[in-house]
Amino acid sequence: GAGVSQSPSNKVTEKGKDVELRCDPISGHTALYWYRQSLGQGLEFLIYFQGNSAPDKSGLPSDRFSAERTGGSVSTLTIQRTQQEDSAVYLCASSLGKDPRGAFFGQGTRLTVV
Amino acid sequence: RKEVEQDPGPFNVPEGATVAFNCTYSNSASQSFFWYRQDCRKEPKLLMSVYSSGNEDGRFTAQLNRASQYISLLIRDSKLSDSATYLCVVNPPLGNRDDKIIFGKGTRLHILP
Repeated sequence: GAGVSQSPSNKVTEKGKDVELRCDPISGHTALYWYRQSLGQGLEFLIYFQGNSAPDKSGLPSDRFSAERTGGSVSTLTIQRTQQEDSAVYLCASSLGKDPRGAFFGQGTRLTVV
Repeated sequence: RKEVEQDPGPFNVPEGATVAFNCTYSNSASQSFFWYRQDCRKEPKLLMSVYSSGNEDGRFTAQLNRASQYISLLIRDSKLSDSATYLCVVNPPLGNRDDKIIFGKGTRLHILP
């Protein structure tokens, strides 16, 4: 597709389970971001991938969170041993690095931990 | 000083009024700037880029003040459909190893009928 694609769109999981969220960026985009947004709150930066450089993981809230980007394209955000406070919308964005048009977002994955 | 700061609002403005938001940024060498709009339960989308000379798109005007390190968004003749959260976005300096785009937390705008 032409845009950023995220799956699943909704995920309900039990506390303590692991979840994987997927992001397919726009083809050719070298930069990929993961953000988290709790209800009524602003974007919270999680992790940033740029080309072959080491990812910027400075926003990951705990060691339960990890992310990979395989082949410079698809990315997976994994949350281990989910907690109720992990409930949020997880947004992925991609860009052409310093693209003057900015970054383009997927529609997000709404995660609910029960 | 935070990298990008915005007044979170909410701004409650009557329909037809003019409203303005400011956003300050900390890195004086930042190169490009944007305003994004996020509707309730939707993803953020690019509203407009901000150019050094200022730019206008219909009822929306964006301006950059490099000396004071802020950008602004002006909405004239506001409509109910303008109700949203407006995010300030800053691109890092050219040649910077850390080239991560920085998003502000957003300013919530409610247009009142």
